[in-house]
Order: sequence, then structure tokens, then C-alpha cells
Amino acid sequence: EAGVAQSPRYKIIEKRQSVAFWCNPISGHATLYWYQQILGQGPKLLIQFQNNGVVDDSQLPKDRFSAERLKGVDSTLKIQPAKLEDSAVYLCASSLSGQGTDTQYFGPGTRLTVL
Amino acid sequence: QKEVEQDPGPLSVPEGAIVSLNCTYSNSAFQYFMWYRQYSRKGPELLMYTYSSGNKEDGRFTAQVDKSSKYISLFIRDSQPSDSATYLCAMRGYQKVTFGIGTKLQVIP
Repeated sequence: EAGVAQSPRYKIIEKRQSVAFWCNPISGHATLYWYQQILGQGPKLLIQFQNNGVVDDSQLPKDRFSAERLKGVDSTLKIQPAKLEDSAVYLCASSLSGQGTDTQYFGPGTRLTVL
Repeated sequence: QKEVEQDPGPLSVPEGAIVSLNCTYSNSAFQYFMWYRQYSRKGPELLMYTYSSGNKEDGRFTAQVDKSSKYISLFIRDSQPSDSATYLCAMRGYQKVTFGIGTKLQVIP
């Protein structure tokens, strides 16, 4: 079974530039998550999709971050414009249903450096 | 007060030692408790989950939950150098999972 795929693996940009990350979840997984993991911290949920609908985006900085999952499969996360404090690893995860003991499977992450 | 508290370490132990990792939480709505292992430059991978007070064992790993004290633990027996990683506790209420900051563990050969 193929895992969660993410690209790019690394990205370096200057502040005020825009950047986009892509995620392809495990086939058949209805739930997709984007997390931000700042160095030395645990992952923080940015947005959770159930199929192509948003379940939780309470911690997404909506003035600069956006995400979509148009066909209920792969997803993109965009930052525009980027700030220095956005430097982090952006993790995508997917799971079957998003509830109970449902297991989240994580991708390798995209490491973003904002200069 | 953070919902989930976890000592970041680092924790350094000799090979073969028993390792104890802990988290406390404040949100009574948490029902499911998980431990993830994260190697450097990799995504977290699920080690164990439980949803009731008590112990759950899987090989060298034992997860323990005490809901009355809002305290969870992960024990690693006969620790190996390959166990060197960051261990994240995670908890879920209805849907959203909240992670601790992770404890960095180094097992020295």
C-alpha cells in the first residue's frame, strides 16, 4: 500500500513570496489533514478535510493560508504572503474516517524555510 | 495551561534500559490516547493507541492511561539504539487530535 505522498520535500523562499505544497493521501482515505510542525514542537492541526469538505480550520491563519481538496483526493496548501514565522515542516496525513481509533498516516513533510 | 504537557527532554539512556515517557492533559473530553514515534526528517508514525484506563502491551512497548489523574505513559523495555527518536503523545476528543511537543530519546549503544 502506497503511503502519503508530499511534494516538494524542501522549499526555500523569501518573506512575502508565495508557496504551495501538494499532498496525495492513501487511496480510499476520506479524511485529510494538514499540520504545521515548528522545530521543537508537536504538530499543530491547520485544517482537516472530510472528502472535499472542511471539518476544522480553526487554527488556519486565513489571511495568508489557504487549502483546497477539490475532488476529495489530493490537496494543496498555499501560503501567500509568507512570513519568517512560517518556517516549519508542513505535514500531510490521511485516515479512513477521522473519528475514534482511526489511524492517521503521515507523509514525510515539506520543510519550508522563509528568509 | 496547555491542553497536553510533555517534557521535551532530551532523554539519554544506555542500551537495554527501561524507558518511561509521560504526558499530562487537562481536557476531560479526550477519549483516545496515542503515542507516535518520529525519526529525524520523517513524519510521525503511530506506535500505540488506547481508549480506556489501564495498560496495553505490544512487544517491547506498553502504553498506560490513568484518566482519573489525566496522565499517560509509554514504557519501552530493552531499549535499542534504533529506538532513538522523538516520541509524541497525542489525544483525541471527537475529531481533532492534539499533540504534545515530543520527547527526544537517545539510546546509547
